[in-house]
Amino acid sequence: KAGVTQTPRYLIKTRGQQVTLSCSPISGHRSVSWYQQTPGQGLQFLFEYFSETQRNKGNFPGRFSGRQFSNSRSEMNVSTLELGDSALYLCASSQRLNTGELFFGEGSRLTVL
Amino acid sequence: AQKITQTQPGMFVQEKEAVTLDCTYDTSDQSYGLFWYKQPSSGEMIFLIYQGSYDEQNATEGRYSLNFQKARKSANLVISASQLGDSAMYFCAMKASKIIFGSGTRLSIRP
Repeated sequence: KAGVTQTPRYLIKTRGQQVTLSCSPISGHRSVSWYQQTPGQGLQFLFEYFSETQRNKGNFPGRFSGRQFSNSRSEMNVSTLELGDSALYLCASSQRLNTGELFFGEGSRLTVL
Repeated sequence: AQKITQTQPGMFVQEKEAVTLDCTYDTSDQSYGLFWYKQPSSGEMIFLIYQGSYDEQNATEGRYSLNFQKARKSANLVISASQLGDSAMYFCAMKASKIIFGSGTRLSIRP
């Protein structure tokens, strides 16, 4: 069974640009959640999607958005990038909503210059 | 408000020894789940073990066990017979309304 796939793995952007990250969950998993990991703030929850609907949201500004498609694949978008957005963005999938048993991808490492 | 605390930033342990990673939590929710994840240098988070707040017995998964003391609000991870491949960051997490993670403990296993 293929794991969670995140693309791209690495990317470099400049301030003010926008970025879209993609996540393909494990087959059969309907819940996808996103996390930001930085040395200073650690791992922080961004949002969770289930059946194409955002079910839960962390404390991030509106520049961070996401969506989920009918095949459960998900994208997250960050607009007007700031230097502080440099981070490892992790996606996780699970079979059901509201579970901590998450299966993570290897992440997308974003560097903002 | 929910809070997770891991007080050990780093630990060194000799191979084959048992190791305990500390985790304390705080929540006003009655129903919650406690989890441990391992993050190797590759970056991928790997689910290790789960303990529900109403579970009376400590969870075990192979060499991993979770020492759950509800009254003390602690959920320590115990790894028996440590191996070199156990070297990684370990995160404690709690899920009530949302999932939150501790700051992590970097475990290094010495041969």
